[in-house]
Amino acid sequence: QQQVKQSPQSLIVQKGGISIINCAYENTAFDYFPWYQQFPGKGPALLIAIRPDVSEKKEGRFTISFNKSAKQFSLHIMDSQPGDSATYFCAASIPYDKVIFGPGTSLSVIP
Amino acid sequence: DGGITQSPKYLFRKEGQNVTLSCEQNLNHDAMYWYRQDPGQGLRLIYYSQIVNDFQKGDIAEGYSVSREKKESFPLTVTSAQKNPTAFYLCASRLQGLLIYDYTFGSGTRLTVV
Repeated sequence: QQQVKQSPQSLIVQKGGISIINCAYENTAFDYFPWYQQFPGKGPALLIAIRPDVSEKKEGRFTISFNKSAKQFSLHIMDSQPGDSATYFCAASIPYDKVIFGPGTSLSVIP
Repeated sequence: DGGITQSPKYLFRKEGQNVTLSCEQNLNHDAMYWYRQDPGQGLRLIYYSQIVNDFQKGDIAEGYSVSREKKESFPLTVTSAQKNPTAFYLCASRLQGLLIYDYTFGSGTRLTVV
């Protein structure tokens, strides 16, 4: 019940294309859903986050779509660039509790 | 600049040795966390501490130990009981608050058994 599922495990996208990563959760007590981006040899960094009272949040080329009834959320990267190549983790959290991370998606954007 | 400092960046351990990984933060964050990341894998929680002088086991605590004597510091010891310690270790921290969730991560320590 504390798990966050994430797919696909890896993703290859052409430059300029749309990258889509999907996540699902079971625990309805989660009330915050962040995405972290990790480059090789570095620690993850917060990319974008959403609360369940909002169905979509956009920051530049990055958009989170949230479906509360389906308990699913996704990250869309528009106009994907080679510099977006990284590992992406979705996550879910409850106040005062640890963040639960998905297993990660390795994104490669090829020229 | 505020942040989390992990040291060393690379660490080599002989079999049977204990080694300690350092994690220091100057963000005045209450909670600190240790994660292990294996190649191509996700983040697995080792230990976490929400307050000084208190810590809890995560999902893979066996073979590891921690202390939290100061708010700023949360060192991780990888003991000889950890049979497969080669991995990338990440420390994270965050404030504790009703609407505060985001972690700040350090740059990691890569531990290799030689």
